[in-house]
Amino acid sequence: KQEVTQIPAALSVPEGENLVLNCSFTDSAIYNLQWFRQDPGKGLTSLLLIQSSQREQTSGRLNASLDKSSGRSTLYIAASQPGDSATYLCAPLSPNSNSGYALNFGKGTSLLVTP
Amino acid sequence: DGGITQSPKYLFRKEGQNVTLSCEQNLNHDAMYWYRQDPGQGLRLIYYSQIVNDFQKGDIAEGYSVSREKKESFPLTVTSAQKNPTAFYLCASGTGLQETQYFGPGTRLLVL
Repeated sequence: KQEVTQIPAALSVPEGENLVLNCSFTDSAIYNLQWFRQDPGKGLTSLLLIQSSQREQTSGRLNASLDKSSGRSTLYIAASQPGDSATYLCAPLSPNSNSGYALNFGKGTSLLVTP
Repeated sequence: DGGITQSPKYLFRKEGQNVTLSCEQNLNHDAMYWYRQDPGQGLRLIYYSQIVNDFQKGDIAEGYSVSREKKESFPLTVTSAQKNPTAFYLCASGTGLQETQYFGPGTRLLVL
């Protein structure tokens, strides 16, 4: 079964800093990997999707990289802002035991950006 | 507006009672999913459906049931067999392997 680990579990930084969130997964047989944002008590918002054949994706101040063979992905946030404060979730999409596929989620990194 | 709606936002269950969580999408997505989120835990897959009238168990299906009679709707019933139902329940939909999943706003289930 795919196991996903996110480090650090929590992070507090002053506004303006660049930061890196790390994700590792145990099974490299993935279709894609997605990064989501979750605000307290809310649903998930998709930030970036990286296909298994890609190395990175960028959207605005966000850049995600994928090294499938080593089971690692990183989310880079440039020039952090207080509005970036949220929990960030990593989720590789993998085959499952029912001949389908499923997202497997890490526990997330809780980010606080202080003014 | 296109998207996924979940209702109710909060739901209270009495012991021994079955309750049903609603999930509706107007994105014309074939696949729909139910996840459970507990504090400090990652999301865990309860059930998923890749096409109307078909669904599969996820990692934690015991004590739950679903139906998929319409493409737009994927209700989740939390039965009395689920002994620890207190959690945040998230519904999602998607088109397949190449696309992201879109999530609803969630339903928080509490036990009286």
